[in-house]
Amino acid sequence: DAGITQSPRHKVTETGTPVTLRCHQTENHRYMYWYRQDPGHGLRLIHYSYGVKDTDKGEVSDGYSVSRSKTEDFLLTLESATSSQTSVYFCAISGGAGEETQYFGPGTRLLVL
Amino acid sequence: GENVEQHPSTLSVQEGDSAVIKCTYSDSASNYFPWYKQELGKGPQLIIDIRSNVGEKKDQRIAVTLNKTAKHFSLHITETQPEDSAVYFCAAGSGNQFYFGTGTSLTVIP
Repeated sequence: DAGITQSPRHKVTETGTPVTLRCHQTENHRYMYWYRQDPGHGLRLIHYSYGVKDTDKGEVSDGYSVSRSKTEDFLLTLESATSSQTSVYFCAISGGAGEETQYFGPGTRLLVL
Repeated sequence: GENVEQHPSTLSVQEGDSAVIKCTYSDSASNYFPWYKQELGKGPQLIIDIRSNVGEKKDQRIAVTLNKTAKHFSLHITETQPEDSAVYFCAAGSGNQFYFGTGTSLTVIP
């Protein structure tokens, strides 16, 4: 998985609780991404980062926030989890301009009850 | 934004036969088209990609073709093997934003 780890790998939580997912890379890649994967929707971009403290929204960003304080770590936070956020979350990395290829982590399976 | 459609959603082939998966995209600015293979419980793995200045690319049993005029691209797997069974995703985009198709579940029957 191209030097990408995600934690936790599985999580069960209750509606209304905050949840933070972590992505860690050892490739020193500039870009990092968070996607969610749901049946019938493929992979949809939530947020991405193009450098430390530089982030931007994707197509399904409502209800999510991100932070990147170090090159190697990208955090995804659900401030108040809802059942609609039950999904599999994937982190991806890429090198940046001219190096568009994205490499994916192993995923985090989140269940919101 | 970009809209990527992928067909078929499921595909079954006999071992040794070929498999073809097709995708269309809407944004003519898209210039990078990767294909990913995802096995159960794992993250997507890049298997081949193509850029808009190339019409075809091949890597052993896998090939991808791109028709920019018609805005469609296809994945071709020849001499399929049981280990090719997985979900395949196409994507289209430019810069660092990609939009994914909804996936094709390929089953290779021994």
